[in-house]
Amino acid sequence: AQSVSQHNHHVILSEAASLELGCNYSYGGTVNLFWYVQYPGQHLQLLLKYFSGDPLVKGIKGFEAEFIKSKFSFNLRKPSVQWSDTAEYFCAVSPKAAGNKLTFGGGTRVLVKP
Amino acid sequence: NAGVTQTPKFQVLKTGQSMTLQCAQDMNHNSMYWYRQDPGMGLRLIYYSASEGTTDKGEVPNGYNVSRLNKREFSLRLESAAPSQTSVYFCASIRGSTGEQYFGPGTRLTVT
Repeated sequence: AQSVSQHNHHVILSEAASLELGCNYSYGGTVNLFWYVQYPGQHLQLLLKYFSGDPLVKGIKGFEAEFIKSKFSFNLRKPSVQWSDTAEYFCAVSPKAAGNKLTFGGGTRVLVKP
Repeated sequence: NAGVTQTPKFQVLKTGQSMTLQCAQDMNHNSMYWYRQDPGMGLRLIYYSASEGTTDKGEVPNGYNVSRLNKREFSLRLESAAPSQTSVYFCASIRGSTGEQYFGPGTRLTVT
């Protein structure tokens, strides 16, 4: 079975700092990759996704992620964070052979200090 | 569109009580999912329904049952609640070709 690891459980930043969240997965076949965000008290929303093509994908709110197949990684980045980016971020993987079932990482809580 | 809706938003149960969590989507999606979210563990799949009339176990199905009542509705039942089932439960549905799951607002369940 596949697994997803998010290396940082908690990240604290100041506004305007750059953010990078790590995500690694274990699965030998081809996958679809996702980053979801959960703002305080809200449900999960899709930030961005990768299915194929350009490994650098851009999402909403200035986020981007890079798929590095050789490293089984899909790291999320944002050059300059805002206080409103305070949230929990989840990486998720869906093997193409497994239909649309998602496996989530444990999440990273990001706190942006104003 | 309301998207994915869930009821109730909050629930407190005593050990051994039963309840059903309701989920409905108005996006004409074929597949629906139930997850539980626990601190530090992300979301774990309990059951899913690839299409109306079918259901399958996910990663953590023990203690739960589901019913895909029709294309819109997918309910999750706890027959005899246990404190280990204290969690936040999310329902999701999927637009088949993209793999993007749409999530409901969640139900926060506490079992005492």
